[in-house]
Amino acid sequence: GAGVSQSPRYKVAKRGQDVALRCDPISGHVSLFWYQQALGQGPEFLTYFQNEAQLDKSGLPSDRFFAERPEGSVSTLKIQRTQQEDSAVYLCASSLAFVDGSYEQYFGPGTRLTVT
Amino acid sequence: GQNIDQPTEMTATEGAIVQINCTYQTSGFNGLFWYQQHAGEAPTFLSYNVLDGLEEKGRFSSFLSRSKGYSYLLLKELQMKDSASYLCAVKDSNYQLIWGAGTKLIIKP
Repeated sequence: GAGVSQSPRYKVAKRGQDVALRCDPISGHVSLFWYQQALGQGPEFLTYFQNEAQLDKSGLPSDRFFAERPEGSVSTLKIQRTQQEDSAVYLCASSLAFVDGSYEQYFGPGTRLTVT
Repeated sequence: GQNIDQPTEMTATEGAIVQINCTYQTSGFNGLFWYQQHAGEAPTFLSYNVLDGLEEKGRFSSFLSRSKGYSYLLLKELQMKDSASYLCAVKDSNYQLIWGAGTKLIIKP
């Protein structure tokens, strides 16, 4: 498709399990972002890639969170040893140009993670 | 710290006009975005302001005053499909988007 896709759309994990969330950005988009969105809140920045380089990971809440984009297209956000506070919607967004441009970010539908 | 303030919820009538305000305090400013988010869906881009003034795009307009740290989104001729959350986001000195919590807009017939 033409938009950003994410999989799975819904994930239920037991506390302590590892999860991997996938993002397929729009083809040709240089920038890729991961956000965490709690119910009734705005997105919170997690990390940013420019092509395959992870230029900013200041928003990752702990070392249990890891993201990669090895070939500069598809990205994976991995959460190890999930905790209940990790329950949220994880949004991926891509943008045509570098982060300092005015180009808008295009969002995927998100992955709703529930940790039980 | 960095802060974006928006009203939590607003109610308006179909066919009317509504103004959603956003005030911000951020470390640096490199533009302000407005996004629309329907429940359970991804945010979609509405507008971008980097200079002071009004940007008009169909039924939607967005205004920015950098000196006041203030923006508003104006929606005219409201339709039922405009019921959604409206998110204000500011790009800070690190070019990172700082997001408000969103304003839930309820449209009544």
